Parts: sequence; C-alpha cells; structure tokens
Amino acid sequence: GGIITQTPKFLIGQEGQKLTLKCQQNFNHDTMYWYRQDSGKGLRLIYYSITENDLQKGDLSEGYDASREKKSSFSLTVTSAQKNEMAVFLCASTNNNQAPLFGEGTRLSVL
Amino acid sequence: QQKVQQSPESLIVPEGGMASLNCTSSDRNVDYFWWYRQHSGKSPKMLMSIFSNGEKEEGRFTVHLNKASLHTSLHIRDSQPSDSALYLCAAWNYNQGKLIFGQGTKLSIKP
Repeated sequence: GGIITQTPKFLIGQEGQKLTLKCQQNFNHDTMYWYRQDSGKGLRLIYYSITENDLQKGDLSEGYDASREKKSSFSLTVTSAQKNEMAVFLCASTNNNQAPLFGEGTRLSVL
Repeated sequence: QQKVQQSPESLIVPEGGMASLNCTSSDRNVDYFWWYRQHSGKSPKMLMSIFSNGEKEEGRFTVHLNKASLHTSLHIRDSQPSDSALYLCAAWNYNQGKLIFGQGTKLSIKP
C-alpha cells in the first residue's frame, strides 16, 4: 500500500531560522499540497503543485518557499521562523478527482 | 480570495442524537466537496464526498449538496462518542487543482 511520509515529525527552531519540511509519497500522485493548521483550527493552503517542477501559491504563501523537484516529493521552507510560533504542517497528495490523502504532519515549535 | 465557510463553529449533541453541519463555498468553479474528520492529534481522514446535486447516504452519515448555492451539509444520526472530532469541509476546483478547507466544526458527543 501507499504512504505519505512527512519528516521530521517534530521540529524545534529558533527565531529567524530557516527551516525545511519534507514530504514523500509513493502513490505516484500528480498533485501535492502543503497546509498549516493552528491548534483546533482549519487548514490553510500554503503552496500546491500539480506536477513536477510546478508551484502554485495558496493564500498563506508569504513567509514560505516550496520546491517540487521530483514527482514523489514536495518540500516546504519556513524562510524566517517567528518567535513562539506553534503549528502543524500537513502534506497531502491526490490524482484527478480522488480525495486527497494526508501525511501525519510535522509539529513546529519556535523558541 | 476563495473562501469556504463552515457553521456552526462548535456543536454539542447528546449520544444517539442527530448532528448537522454546514458548509458553503464562495468559488463558483468548485467541482467537488469532501468532508473530512480529524480526531485530536491525528491527520484528517476523508469521510464523505459529493459532486452531484442531491443526497448521498453511507451508514449513519448523509451528505447533501445544492450546487446552485454551493452549499453542502453533513448529517450524522445516532451520534456516538467516537464521532467527537473536528469536521472539515473541503472544496476542490478541478481546473486549478486547488483544494480549500473551511475552518472546521468541533463536534462533541455527550454520553
């Protein structure tokens, strides 16, 4: 069976630090997404990609960069971590009209 | 900016009762709606999907869609304590590949 793997599971950073989160899927899905979820809230779209080397901005793209160098992987970079920031970053992937599947998330804390 | 609005923000239902959750999209080009359920500390899991006008039932769960008003609703009958979770509505634009989530409804089932 397929799987979406997010690394790391937990990430502790310092204010101003550049941090990179990775997502790998073996479903051979074309489209991948990055979302941010604050505690108890909904998911906000940061970036998505409909194919290798494609990048589309979501509503929350400011302060983030993304990269899709291979079909199977999609990485997200926090360009400058904000003090006391705490959130879960969720990666998802899909093909055509199938319901997107999610990874287990990366939990970020900034000291 | 495309928005997905969910209501209510939170809902308490007695065990065995009916829970009704609502969702509306502002994007007239939405093709699919998905409902996801997210238990605390876990990633979202797809619960129901709908893309045609009308109603779809799967066990205790029923979803309605009115494409003219871009409104969907999820109804859970005979609610169980295990149904306590954050319910997320997602609207998908097929042409763009963009998937936008609402802010969620926190459902609590009281024994």
